[in-house]
Amino acid sequence: AQSVTQPDIHITVSEGASLELRCNYSYGATPYLFWYVQSPGQGLQLLLKYFSGDTLVQGIKGFEAEFKRSQSSFNLRKPSVHWSDAAEYFCAVAVYNQGGKLIFGQGTELSVKP
Amino acid sequence: EPEVTQTPSHQVTQMGQEVILRCVPISNHLYFYWYRQILGQKVEFLVSFYNNEISEKSEIFDDQFSVERPDGSNFTLKIRSTKLEDSAMYFCASSGRQGSEAFFGQGTRLTVV
Repeated sequence: AQSVTQPDIHITVSEGASLELRCNYSYGATPYLFWYVQSPGQGLQLLLKYFSGDTLVQGIKGFEAEFKRSQSSFNLRKPSVHWSDAAEYFCAVAVYNQGGKLIFGQGTELSVKP
Repeated sequence: EPEVTQTPSHQVTQMGQEVILRCVPISNHLYFYWYRQILGQKVEFLVSFYNNEISEKSEIFDDQFSVERPDGSNFTLKIRSTKLEDSAMYFCASSGRQGSEAFFGQGTRLTVV
C-alpha cells in the first residue's frame, strides 16, 4: 500500500540556519510528490512538486526538494530559515490510478528560534 | 490568482444534525476532492470526484457522507447525521488533471457538540 512517512514530528531551528525536513514514501510506480505548508488555522499551500525529470526541484519561498529514488525519499530543504517559515509541513504522494488522491505524511511542525 | 473557496469557515452543529459544506473549485479544474484533518492529526483523503461521479473514496466515507456538484461551480459535502467524531477541519481541493497538484481551500472547521 502507498504511504508517506515524515520521521520528525517537530523540529526547531534558529533563524538563518539551514533546514532539512525528511520524507520517505512507499509507492509501486513513479511517484508524483508534493510538499505543502500549513500555517496555523490556514489551508494547505503548495510549496513544490516533482513529476519527472530533474530530481532537484525548486519551489516557492526559497524551498527546494530532492527526489532520490534509491532511498525513496523527497526531502525538503531551505538554506536559510526565516521566522515566517514557522508552520506545519506535509509531504504527499499522488496515487494516479485512484482518482489522483493525495496520501499525506503525518506532518512536521517547524519552530524557528530568533 | 484563481483559488478554491470554502464556506462556511466554521460551523457548529448538534450531534445528529445534517450539515452541508460548500466549495467552489477553480473554474477550469476537472477533479475535485474532500479531505479532513482531525485536530493534531494528518490530512486524510475522503473522496475524489470526476465527471459527475465519485472516482475513489476512503473507508471513512461511509453512507452518512455524500458529495454533489449541483451546478457548474459548486461542490458540496453532506454529512447526514453528524457524530462527535466528525469534528475536524474539512478541506476541499481541485486539480486540472489526475495526479497533478491539488489546490486547497482554506477549510471549514466543523465542530459537533
